[in-house]
Amino acid sequence: QSALTQPRSVSESPGQSVTISCTGTSSDVGGYNYVSWYQHHVGKAPKLMIYDVFKRPSGVPDRFSGSKSGNTASLTISGLQAEDEADYYCCSYAGSYTWVFGGGTKLTVL
Amino acid sequence: EVQLVESGGGLVQPGGSLRLSCVASGFTLSRYWMHWVRQAPGKGLVWVSRIYSDGSGTTYADSVKGRFTISRDNAKNTLYLQMNSLRAEDTAVYYCARDVGYTFESWGQGTLVTVSS
Repeated sequence: QSALTQPRSVSESPGQSVTISCTGTSSDVGGYNYVSWYQHHVGKAPKLMIYDVFKRPSGVPDRFSGSKSGNTASLTISGLQAEDEADYYCCSYAGSYTWVFGGGTKLTVL
Repeated sequence: EVQLVESGGGLVQPGGSLRLSCVASGFTLSRYWMHWVRQAPGKGLVWVSRIYSDGSGTTYADSVKGRFTISRDNAKNTLYLQMNSLRAEDTAVYYCARDVGYTFESWGQGTLVTVSS
């Protein structure tokens, strides 16, 4: 149950795009299409942004997109806005009814 | 509107016990798997435990196996986490979350557990 690997931080200017990677193994990210992404503002409840690798819940802007290649999943945010500044976590089902999160990525909108 | 409200956190000494509750509203709890996820201060989210919709199946992270017990009372719309033999490293905000298709679809605001002497 080792955490998935995410960059600790990323930063980009408003209006630009940023991609956050999430690397696991064939036992989690690579083995299942149950990868999800969460936005977390300090002191608030985490919010689901992407599920099943690339699907967006109702209400999530289409600026947010997800993908996966092999053991690495990615979250791309285009047209960055100030309110996108937050911590982002990936998560994958890891088999046997267990789940594993990434270490989290702090997004700074410059 | 789906709402999950955790309670029961607080300060407890190492080796002590605590029971967290998560009251669900706006949906029928008995239809969903539920989870506990925690976040230690300055650290990331960590999955803790999951329970099947009728309580018949449970799984745990290795770090809490044998010490924590997840349960539910669907008639009371409440999820629980019984935490025994608490350690300093269990200090965290504990969130309950509703599972939809192996995804944490809705979350509560969390309750803080501090393990310290």
